[in-house]
Amino acid sequence: NAGVTQTPKFRVLKTGQSMTLLCAQDMNHEYMYWYRQDPGMGLRLIHYSVGEGTTAKGEVPDGYNVSRLKKQNFLLGLESAAPSQTSVYFCASSTPRREEQFFGPGTRLTVL
Amino acid sequence: AQTVTQSQPEMSVQEAETVTLSCTYDTSESNYYLFWYKQPPSRQMILVIRQEAYKQQNATENRFSVNFQKAAKSFSLKISDSQLGDTAMYFCAFSGPSVLTYKYIFGTGTRLKVLA
Repeated sequence: NAGVTQTPKFRVLKTGQSMTLLCAQDMNHEYMYWYRQDPGMGLRLIHYSVGEGTTAKGEVPDGYNVSRLKKQNFLLGLESAAPSQTSVYFCASSTPRREEQFFGPGTRLTVL
Repeated sequence: AQTVTQSQPEMSVQEAETVTLSCTYDTSESNYYLFWYKQPPSRQMILVIRQEAYKQQNATENRFSVNFQKAAKSFSLKISDSQLGDTAMYFCAFSGPSVLTYKYIFGTGTRLKVLA
């Protein structure tokens, strides 16, 4: 039981490049989330999904897209990376009761 | 809209002593969850303790306990017998029960340093 995994763990991009962050969970959770963490700002929700094939915007969705084609996977895409997207990205999952979120180990992304 | 406020950006405590981290929140919901998460230097987010709003009894997990004051919308975390391994960022979080509030709302965190 791996819980929530994220790929990659680190990445450096140049401005304008694109990339996809992959999140996978093996707990059969309905809900999945993508957050970014910046110093002094806590965790801010980018996008979330309440089930396969459904996604919704969070607090800071601009510049990101997501897809949930399979229940266990939640992908976060950056179409044209900007330095302002330099951050640590966390994926999380939960049941519909939301009594606990389970987090992945995070991805540190640097955009030069 | 729900908000979570942690007013102490940094705190320090001597090893073996007790420290309390503060958290206040705002919501119009009557039932909800409150959480404290720990983020050590490894960056992994770890659930420390959870409180369900309809339960009047304060949650306790070993050396960690909360003081939940529903009317005051306050949810503080007390760490007893502090250990060096407690050094971490601590985040307070809220999750509501309804379809409009199923997002988790996090505070900005308190950085705790335990001193030897």
